Amino acid sequence: GAGVSQSPSNKVTEKGKDVELRCDPISGHTALYWYRQSLGQGLEFLIYFQGNSAPDKSGLPSDRFSAERTGGSVSTLTIQRTQQEDSAVYLCASSFMPGQGSNQPQHFGDGTRLSIL
Amino acid sequence: AQSVAQPEDQVNVAEGNPLTVKCTYSVSGNPYLFWYVQYPNRGLQFLLKYITGDNLVKGSYGFEAEFNKSQTSFHLKKPSALVSDSALYFCAVRDATDSWGKLQFGAGTQVVVTP
Repeated sequence: GAGVSQSPSNKVTEKGKDVELRCDPISGHTALYWYRQSLGQGLEFLIYFQGNSAPDKSGLPSDRFSAERTGGSVSTLTIQRTQQEDSAVYLCASSFMPGQGSNQPQHFGDGTRLSIL
Repeated sequence: AQSVAQPEDQVNVAEGNPLTVKCTYSVSGNPYLFWYVQYPNRGLQFLLKYITGDNLVKGSYGFEAEFNKSQTSFHLKKPSALVSDSALYFCAVRDATDSWGKLQFGAGTQVVVTP
């Protein structure tokens, strides 16, 4: 597709279960970002990928959160032993050739709405 | 460190009236500035950016923004608001010298346009 694709669009799970969220960036975009957005709030940065490596993981809230990216394309964000405070919308974005001097905007998917019961 | 302030949680405007959404920023070096819009249950959509050059930037859907270096502001404007402009608006900044282009987003401003 032409845009960033995220799946599932909605996920409801029980507390303590593991969840895996998927992001398929725009073809050719080398940079990929994960954000978390709580209801009606701003964006909380989680992690950034350049290619398959993650130079900045500083936003991951705990060691229950992890992410990987394979083949410089699809990324998965995994949350283990989910807690109710993990309920939020998880947004993925991609951009073309970031780095010093880059002025490219980030392009966002529609997010995964995660609800922990 | 970089930061963005959107001083208004919500802006109310009547359809047909001018719309302004305020944004001020702080960066160590030169700023790259962006505006995004978010409709309910959707991701953020890019509206416009300021990189360099003309201080008045024109973007999608009739929006424009004016970069003011002395006031460190980048306010979003639309001459005549539409009901369909009702959405959540985010300002974002990055330092042009940052190694990987981390964007700092503001908290967002909810725009409500009434018929």
